[in-house]
Amino acid sequence: NAGVTQTPKFRILKIGQSMTLQCTQDMNHNYMYWYRQDPGMGLKLIYYSVGAGITDKGEVPNGYNVSRSTTEDFPLRLELAAPSQTSVYFCASSSTQGSSGNTIYFGEGSWLTVV
Amino acid sequence: GQQVMQIPQYQHVQEGEDFTTYCNSSTTLSNIQWYKQRPGGHPVFLIQLVKSGEVKKQKRLTFQFGEAKKNSSLHITATQTTDVGTYFCAGNRYSGGGADGLTFGKGTHLIIQP
Repeated sequence: NAGVTQTPKFRILKIGQSMTLQCTQDMNHNYMYWYRQDPGMGLKLIYYSVGAGITDKGEVPNGYNVSRSTTEDFPLRLELAAPSQTSVYFCASSSTQGSSGNTIYFGEGSWLTVV
Repeated sequence: GQQVMQIPQYQHVQEGEDFTTYCNSSTTLSNIQWYKQRPGGHPVFLIQLVKSGEVKKQKRLTFQFGEAKKNSSLHITATQTTDVGTYFCAGNRYSGGGADGLTFGKGTHLIIQP
């Protein structure tokens, strides 16, 4: 299993541009998440999904959108990028089944800079 | 909303010394998880504690969950250079379902001097 794969790894955006961070997982997990991590800080939940077709806002959803058309994919859309969105973005997934329930598996991160 | 405080923010130790990080929640937790993030890497799950007063060990790492299920600690005995990184606790207010009820602390950055 590849686990959680997210692309791109690095991106520089100009203010006002839009982009999509791609995320896919091959573990058949029902839950998927997007977190952002600012330098030296913890992780803040942007959006999450409990299954295909269902998404919910997390702690910091403003300026972002998500969709979950399949179990595997959970892209994060940034509309009208702002410098405050400069951060490291982590996609993650988890399963509610079995002994590993609630354990979050993270992708390797996407470093985004808005200038 | 739920807050999870973690101290210290930074800890410098000499290689071979012990290290402890503490996690405190503003509300009673269903369970608590610990993650490690190497510099430039992504968080990796270490352990989950569920029961009041639970203690779990992984080699040199000892994890404790408080009796009131509002605090937790991670203790590393005889640190090694491979222990370098940031240790996060994450408090979960839900017993089932996914991790949408998880609140991460800001982490403790462990710096080891050889």
